[in-house]
Amino acid sequence: DIQMTQSPSSLSATVGDRVTITCRASQDIKNSLAWYQQKPGKAPKLLLYGASRLESGVPSRFTGIASGTDYVLTIGSLQPEDFASYYCQQYFNIPVTFGQGTRLEIK
Amino acid sequence: EQLVESGGGLAQPGGSLRLSCVASGFPFRNYEMNWVRQAPGRGLEWVSHISDLVDTIYYADSVKGRFIISRDNAKNSLFLQINSLRAEDTAVYYCARPSQWHEGFDLWGQGTMVAVSS
Repeated sequence: DIQMTQSPSSLSATVGDRVTITCRASQDIKNSLAWYQQKPGKAPKLLLYGASRLESGVPSRFTGIASGTDYVLTIGSLQPEDFASYYCQQYFNIPVTFGQGTRLEIK
Repeated sequence: EQLVESGGGLAQPGGSLRLSCVASGFPFRNYEMNWVRQAPGRGLEWVSHISDLVDTIYYADSVKGRFIISRDNAKNSLFLQINSLRAEDTAVYYCARPSQWHEGFDLWGQGTMVAVSS
């Protein structure tokens, strides 16, 4: 199985900050990487797929890049509604696997 | 477009539950489907996958031999039969639809809670 190592596990920031979250795949997944946002008590929401492609309706302050087996989610200028948990997911093969998650909290 | 799960509840170790997921607003029969679970305070764990024509089924190792995924395309419904329940199966169970080009899961249900306790 492909392991997804996500960091940090938690992050404190303030409105307006720029934050980054990283996922490292245990092998080449050829950009088959999605990012999700999850708020307490709610289902995950797809933010980006193909490492860098924005899902319809998602604000452009969310961006993704890939470098080898490293994938980075950046939130350009944090808004109050962005404080949530974030997960990466590889869908290169089955079993699809998720990173451990990053909890983004208000500082 | 909507997915609505049901069937969760409290069950004893060794017991069984059958989860359902009813789809609406899209051609369910044309989509593969998945179950994903999340234990309390934990991350997301993929559980099972079924193809649109039921010719391909996969399970996570943690549930293989105990869970059975199925679907009824005529009723726009997805199912997960959970047998031999263990405490570690306690979680919110989500049904999730892959995007049209199989790039991530773009539609999720609200989840149904399964609690395993004696």
